[in-house]
Amino acid sequence: AQTVTQSQPEMSVQEAETVTLSCTYDTSESDYYLFWYKQPPSRQMILVIRQEAYKQQNATENRFSVNFQKAAKSFSLKISDSQLGDAAMYFCAYRSGRVTDKLIFGTGTRLQVFP
Amino acid sequence: NAGVTQTPKFRVLKTGQSMTLLCAQDMNHEYMYWYRQDPGMGLRLIHYSVGEGTTAKGEVPDGYNVSRLKKQNFLLGLESAAPSQTSVYFCASSRFGLAGISYEQYFGPGTRLTVT
Repeated sequence: AQTVTQSQPEMSVQEAETVTLSCTYDTSESDYYLFWYKQPPSRQMILVIRQEAYKQQNATENRFSVNFQKAAKSFSLKISDSQLGDAAMYFCAYRSGRVTDKLIFGTGTRLQVFP
Repeated sequence: NAGVTQTPKFRVLKTGQSMTLLCAQDMNHEYMYWYRQDPGMGLRLIHYSVGEGTTAKGEVPDGYNVSRLKKQNFLLGLESAAPSQTSVYFCASSRFGLAGISYEQYFGPGTRLTVT
């Protein structure tokens, strides 16, 4: 079975600085997708960024980028120029390449942003 | 578009009571999911559906039943609520994903359920 591990329960960063959130996963599949979701205090789950395993290039979305190390099964999220609105829970998630499309989530990292 | 909506937003039940959570999506998505979120455990899949009239078990299905009679609705039922079912419940939906294509799951705002 696939598992997703986020070993940092909490992280903090100063406004305008850069922070990296870690995620590792375990799978025997070669076709899969990885995601980072943001959950602010409103509880709404918001997709931040996604990575297809077959793509070697790391995904980027504005201030958010990933470091995808397929051999090491590592998928970290880098947030540049942190803003107060980035404060939230961040969840790493895995989806098999099979059609059923189920997401497996990590336990989350709470990010605090200080002015 | 309202996206994914959930009813109710909050509910308190006594042990043994039953209730149904309603999820509705207006994006014509084929797939729908129910997750529960507990402190320190992330989201876990309860049941899911790949189309109208079909349902399947997820990671933590015990104590729950689901139905998908209409494509836009996915109901989660608790027949006899237990304190262990105190949680935040999220519904999500996504387009049909062929192999090699992954579509985003859109989440509802969640339902906070407390069982006393």
